[in-house]
Amino acid sequence: EIVLTQSPATLSLSPGERATLSCRASQSVSSYLAWYQQKPGQAPRLLIYDASNRATGIPARFSGSGSGTDFTLTISSLEPEDFAVYYCQQRSNWPTFGPGTKVDIK
Amino acid sequence: QLQLQESGPGLVKPSETLSLTCTVSGGSISSSSYYWGWIRQPPGKGLEWIGSIYYSGSTYYNPSLKSRVTISVDTSKNQFSLKLSSVTAADTAVYYCASYDILTGAFDYWGQGTLVTVSS
Repeated sequence: EIVLTQSPATLSLSPGERATLSCRASQSVSSYLAWYQQKPGQAPRLLIYDASNRATGIPARFSGSGSGTDFTLTISSLEPEDFAVYYCQQRSNWPTFGPGTKVDIK
Repeated sequence: QLQLQESGPGLVKPSETLSLTCTVSGGSISSSSYYWGWIRQPPGKGLEWIGSIYYSGSTYYNPSLKSRVTISVDTSKNQFSLKLSSVTAADTAVYYCASYDILTGAFDYWGQGTLVTVSS
């Protein structure tokens, strides 16, 4: 099983600041990594697939990078609606998710 | 745009079988572009993939749950279903159904989720 770890567990930032979230895989997943945003009481929403491709309707302030075992989700300038939990997910063998990073308001 | 909706009992007794159905609208479950999946989230915790099915009936399951999981598809009703047997309190979670885009390898459309509590 490929294990994903995310850091930090919590990121406290102010609106307008840049957020950098990390996801590390226990073995290479090539570029087969997706990122999701989840707000309380809601289903996850797909943000990024294949490491760097924005899903339909996702604002340009969200960007993804990385390959192999190390990946990054960057939110260039936090909007009030971006405070949420973010999960990464890989698709090698079978899908697994990381434990999540909570982005909260400082 | 696809829409998915979970349905089923919100309370299941320990040792019994949890059964949920996902109804797909806005598109055909027989699309060659998708697998159809179940994901769960215990209260306050992260996401766990349970398993997925193709319209042909081909399935693949999370190895940690495989012995207890059955996923099936009914193309005539545009639905797919989950059965999880021998449930315990550890199976208490919000259960989501979602479409898995084969090209992107991501879950792009999700149901709203349904909370299933295992308790006597």
